[in-house]
Amino acid sequence: DGGITQSPKYLFRKEGQNVTLSCEQNLNHDAMYWYRQDPGQGLRLIYYSQIVNDFQKGDIAEGYSVSREKKESFPLTVTSAQKNPTAFYLCASSIRAGSYEQYFGPGTRLTVT
Amino acid sequence: KNEVEQSPQNLTAQEGEFITINCSYSVGISALHWLQQHPGGGIVSLFMLSSGKKKHGRLIATINIQEKHSSLHITASHPRDSAVYICAATYYNFNKFYFGSGTKLNVKP
Repeated sequence: DGGITQSPKYLFRKEGQNVTLSCEQNLNHDAMYWYRQDPGQGLRLIYYSQIVNDFQKGDIAEGYSVSREKKESFPLTVTSAQKNPTAFYLCASSIRAGSYEQYFGPGTRLTVT
Repeated sequence: KNEVEQSPQNLTAQEGEFITINCSYSVGISALHWLQQHPGGGIVSLFMLSSGKKKHGRLIATINIQEKHSSLHITASHPRDSAVYICAATYYNFNKFYFGSGTKLNVKP
């Protein structure tokens, strides 16, 4: 059945290491998004992609990078330049960018020590 | 400025109570979304509306365009409704969501 998946659910890394979070969707959606959520705070947009081979920075893109080589996949790399990488990361997709319902993945909880 | 404000921030209710969560936004939205985040972290979309009212089971979402205000109501609340409820707005010419800070609801048996 169709959906959006993220892996792994929990991820632990040492400070200074880059880490890549996976996001895959089989909904045939053009747009995909990465959000960060910190305890007690709202969702903040890191990057989004409206179409394959295109992506735009969101509100907190510093220290992150993405690629969109396939429609189904939108991996997020948390680089060592990200000062406070420990957070809950959510991926979402929608049929197109803009005022369309977003479908969320289950999230990846990243802990960096 | 494309802000979305929610209230209350926290809400505790007894099972069976009628619950209202409020959301206010700036002018010119193309749609208002209500989302539910479960304790495990997963988020589901409950409603997307640009006018009037929508109902799904015990959940009702309304929007007043003139007052720039939306409400999410839960009738006959149940402990399984305990979650964080988030409103988000999409604005014309902006390809992203603007999120409220969320309302944490705890329904006690």
